[in-house]
Order: sequence, then structure tokens, then C-alpha cells
Amino acid sequence: NAGVTQTPKFRILKIGQSMTLQCAQDMNHNYMYWYRQDPGMGLKLIYYSVGAGITDKGEVPNGYNVSRSTTEDFPLRLELAAPSQTSVYFCASQEGLSYEQYFGPGTRLTVT
Amino acid sequence: GQNIDQPTEMTATEGAIVQINCTYQTSGFNGLFWYQQHAGEAPTFLSYNVLDGLEEKGRFSSFLSRSKGYSYLLLKELQMKDSASYLCAPAAGNNRKLIWGLGTSLAVNP
Repeated sequence: NAGVTQTPKFRILKIGQSMTLQCAQDMNHNYMYWYRQDPGMGLKLIYYSVGAGITDKGEVPNGYNVSRSTTEDFPLRLELAAPSQTSVYFCASQEGLSYEQYFGPGTRLTVT
Repeated sequence: GQNIDQPTEMTATEGAIVQINCTYQTSGFNGLFWYQQHAGEAPTFLSYNVLDGLEEKGRFSSFLSRSKGYSYLLLKELQMKDSASYLCAPAAGNNRKLIWGLGTSLAVNP
């Protein structure tokens, strides 16, 4: 199993550009999460999904969108990138009977 | 509301024992996780306590007191590679979300 994979690993965006951060898991987990982590700070939940076709907002959803058309994939869309979105983005998945979350390696995004 | 409190930074010496404390206030408590995060890397699972008491796993142990809203992570025989952030994360509510603390940055010195 590859676990949770994220692409790209690094990206530099200009202000106003858009991009999609990809996340995929091959563990057949129902629950998936997107977090951002700013330097020296904790994980902030952006969006989460409890299954294909179902998504909900976390603590910091503004400026982002998600979709969950399959169990495996949970892409995060940034529209009109802003410098405040410079961060490390982690995707995680969780099996339905457990609370343990498995993390992808992260995407380091810089918006200039 | 939901609140997690753990020390921001700790230092210890290689070979020593260190205890990282965490106090929390959450509704619908369903256990507590500890994760380790090395600089520039993703968090990785260390332990999960749902019942009161001590869970031991090699050099790492974790303790939980539900009535006191308190947990600690005990690291024995510290190694340089244990230098990392340690994240306390209670599981709360029916939506299976973890509530993440800011983490404790542990520096292990030779």
C-alpha cells in the first residue's frame, strides 16, 4: 500500500493564480481531511469528508474548495491564491471505526 | 469550548527520561492521541489512550486520566532522533475529528 499520497511536493504560485492540490489514499478509508500548518503553529482543519460525495467545512475554509467524487481522491482547490495561503498542506485519511489519522507527506506552497 | 494546553518547548539530555504533559477540555471525549512530527515532515502516530491508565510501547509510554482531562507522554532512554514536536490530540464528538494542540518542541542534547 502506498498509504496517503500528495502531489505536488512543492509549488510556488503568484498572487491570483489557482491550483489544485491532489490527495489520494489506497486504504479504502471513508474519512479524509485537509489541514494547513503554518510555521511554529498547530494543524488547522480546512475541509473534511466522511465519504464520497460528502464534504464539510473545518476551521479555516475560506479561499479553498474541495470535492470527493471517489473514496480514493480528495483534491483541494485554491482559487485566487493570496500570500496568507503560504503554508504546508497535509492530507490525512482515517478508517471509519478508528480515530487514528494517516498523513500524506505534505505540499509546501508559497504564494508571492 | 475545546482547549488543549501543552508546554511549547522542552529540552533534555540524551539517555534521560522526559515527560510531556497535556491538559485538555473537550466535549464528547473519545480518547487521546499522541503524534510525533519531525521538522519538515508529516505527523506520525505514537499512541492512543481511551481508558484511564498507562500504555507502554517500547521506549514510549502514554498515560490518561479522563476525570482530570490530563495525559502525558513519557519518553525513556532519549535519543537524538527523538528531537521533534509532540502533538497531543483528543478525539471528540461524533464526527471523528481530532482536536490538535500546538505541540511541544523537544530538543535532545548530547
